[in-house]
Amino acid sequence: QVQLVESGGGVVQPGRSLRLSCAASGFTFSSYGMHWVRQAPGKGLEWVAVIWFDGSNKYYADSVKGRFTISRDNSRNTLYLQVNSLRAEDTAVYYCARTVAGHRGLLEYWGQGTLVTVSS
Amino acid sequence: QLVLTQSPSASASLGASVKLTCTLSSGHNSYAIAWHQQLPEKGPRFLIKLNTDGSHIKGDGIPDRFSGSSSGAERYLTISSLQSQDEADYYCQTSDTDIVVFGGGTKLTVL
Repeated sequence: QVQLVESGGGVVQPGRSLRLSCAASGFTFSSYGMHWVRQAPGKGLEWVAVIWFDGSNKYYADSVKGRFTISRDNSRNTLYLQVNSLRAEDTAVYYCARTVAGHRGLLEYWGQGTLVTVSS
Repeated sequence: QLVLTQSPSASASLGASVKLTCTLSSGHNSYAIAWHQQLPEKGPRFLIKLNTDGSHIKGDGIPDRFSGSSSGAERYLTISSLQSQDEADYYCQTSDTDIVVFGGGTKLTVL
């Protein structure tokens, strides 16, 4: 069955960096676009970034453009999110998600999330 | 600009049915959407992919009590025979040229 397992979250000071990972299994990772979505405490879901199946295209929400970088390693079935210059408003649970087959913008499978807390 | 609009809250009685609505912004009537359920303190779970014509596919293990339908710019999620474990936040989601958009979510209370 499809599994997505995030890791790499933690407590970090403002201005510092983290790298989040998402280990995928149960499907052909290299055939699907992948997304990061976050949820601040008590708030709704906010899309962060997408990377195409082959890594050839990447798109970001305006709120993270220039600070976050999405990447993938298809040989390791792993998705990454490099988060730099962290701010208090980046505090959230970060989820990775796989797209629906044949529609790279609709999300079908979700991980359990990893919590990033930005605090001094 | 692509926007999805949901009512912040809804309620219905145990065993009854409820119909949640997601409205696409003007000019985006033809967009497919997905519905996701988020139980308290849990991650989201995909429920249904819903097309303009009302055809839909469900996620793994989603019971028949959950169904979707469409009318113009409106996309609906109907939950029948409500159970207490259906109490959750429900989000609709779509995309435009790879940019993903979420509705604000509807908090469903089962009375």
